[in-house]
Amino acid sequence: NAGVTQTPKFQVLKTGQSMTLQCAQDMNHNSMYWYRQDPGMGLRLIYYSASEGTTDKGEVPNGYNVSRLNKREFSLRLESAAPSQTSVYFCASSEDRGPDTQYFGPGTRLTVL
Amino acid sequence: RKEVEQDPGPFNVPEGATVAFNCTYSNSASQSFFWYRQDCRKEPKLLMSVYSSGNEDGRFTAQLNRASQYISLLIRDSKLSDSATYLCVVNLDSSYKLIFGSGTRLLVRP
Repeated sequence: NAGVTQTPKFQVLKTGQSMTLQCAQDMNHNSMYWYRQDPGMGLRLIYYSASEGTTDKGEVPNGYNVSRLNKREFSLRLESAAPSQTSVYFCASSEDRGPDTQYFGPGTRLTVL
Repeated sequence: RKEVEQDPGPFNVPEGATVAFNCTYSNSASQSFFWYRQDCRKEPKLLMSVYSSGNEDGRFTAQLNRASQYISLLIRDSKLSDSATYLCVVNLDSSYKLIFGSGTRLLVRP
C-alpha cells in the first residue's frame, strides 16, 4: 500500500517549457488535490477534483491545467513554465470532499530557470 | 491579514521541555481545525484534529478558543524526534478547502 505517489521527485525546466506532474493514490479515495508550497507561505491549493471526471479551480490555478484520468490518477500540467512557478508541488487525496484527513504525496521540487 | 497566522519560530528547546504554539485565524465562521506535522523536505502529515472541548493524544494536547479565534498545540516531554514544522490548518465551511498556516518550526536539542 504505497499511499500517494508522485513523479518526478525533482525537475528543472527552462522558461517556456512544458511538463506534466503525475500523481496516483491506491487508497480508493474520491477526492484529490494539487498544492504548491513556497517559503514563508502555507500550502496553496491549485486545483481540486471531487471525483473522477470533475475538477475545480483552487486559490492559484493560473498557469496550470489538470486531468483526473481515473479514480487513482490526477495530473498537473504546466503548459509554459515561468520562474514564478518554481515551488514544491504536493498532491493529496482524501476519502471524501469534506474536511477529512488529507494524505500527501512526497512532493515534486520544480525549478524554472 | 493572513487567514491563518503562526509564529514561524524556530522554537529551540531542550529534550524533556514543554513547548506550546499558538495559531490565530481570521474567519470566525471557521468550522474545523487541525495540526499537521511536516518534517524537513517531506510531506505534511496529520498530527491531530482540534475539537471544541480540546483533545489529547499522548504528549500532545490541542485546544480551541473560539472567542479569541486561536488554536494551540502543547507538546510535553519533548523528544528529539519532535523536531519538525507544525502547520495549523483551518477549514471554513465543511468543504474540501483547507487553509494552511505557514508553519512553526520546532528544534529539540539534546
